[in-house]
Amino acid sequence: DQQVKQNSPSLSVQEGRISILNCDYTNSMFDYFLWYKKYPAEGPTFLISISSIKDKNEDGRFTVFLNKSAKHLSLHIVPSQPGDSAVYFCAAGYTNAGKSTFGDGTTLTVKP
Amino acid sequence: DTGVSQDPRHKITKRGQNVTFRCDPISEHNRLYWYRQTLGQGPEFLTYFQNEAQLEKSRLLSDRFSAERPKGSFSTLEIQRTEQGDSAMYLCASSLGGVGTYPYGYTFGSGTRLTVV
Repeated sequence: DQQVKQNSPSLSVQEGRISILNCDYTNSMFDYFLWYKKYPAEGPTFLISISSIKDKNEDGRFTVFLNKSAKHLSLHIVPSQPGDSAVYFCAAGYTNAGKSTFGDGTTLTVKP
Repeated sequence: DTGVSQDPRHKITKRGQNVTFRCDPISEHNRLYWYRQTLGQGPEFLTYFQNEAQLEKSRLLSDRFSAERPKGSFSTLEIQRTEQGDSAMYLCASSLGGVGTYPYGYTFGSGTRLTVV
């Protein structure tokens, strides 16, 4: 049973436009959510996180939105840049637990 | 600090052989994690340490896998009697963490790619 799902394997957007990456989870015990970016031949890099007591967290061009009732979160990138082209992983965890559970990723391509 | 280091970057081994991977975390981080990733999938949790204590091990992990973190510094992951299904990228990560804290974002290494032939 996959507890964190990223249903879109790929997304293509034009440079300067908004990229929206989606993630759904099934385990209502999760209270912390994270996004990572991964370039080829590198390990994932932590981007941004949000706790369940918030519904939005912003860091520069990156904003994560959390809808607890729908068990859904999304990552918005505005404006998108070609350097944002990478695989994006959604992950979830909970307080006092060390591990995070990852989705299978969405490959974002930003076209110049 | 140069981040999380993993050695080797690539390993090709014959089925049935034992392999060992090493991870050097960021020195200030008390937590160290091992994940496995196969093509088209996200990282899958294997085990994690807080200092030298192994706090959790995946139920999916067979007894052929063992990990250590002596003295709470570097860690090793050993796979005994390798099988073709063990072929994957093995990722190490480190972070701060403790009781009552939210999960911190991990700093990942570049991984060790294992190919079992």
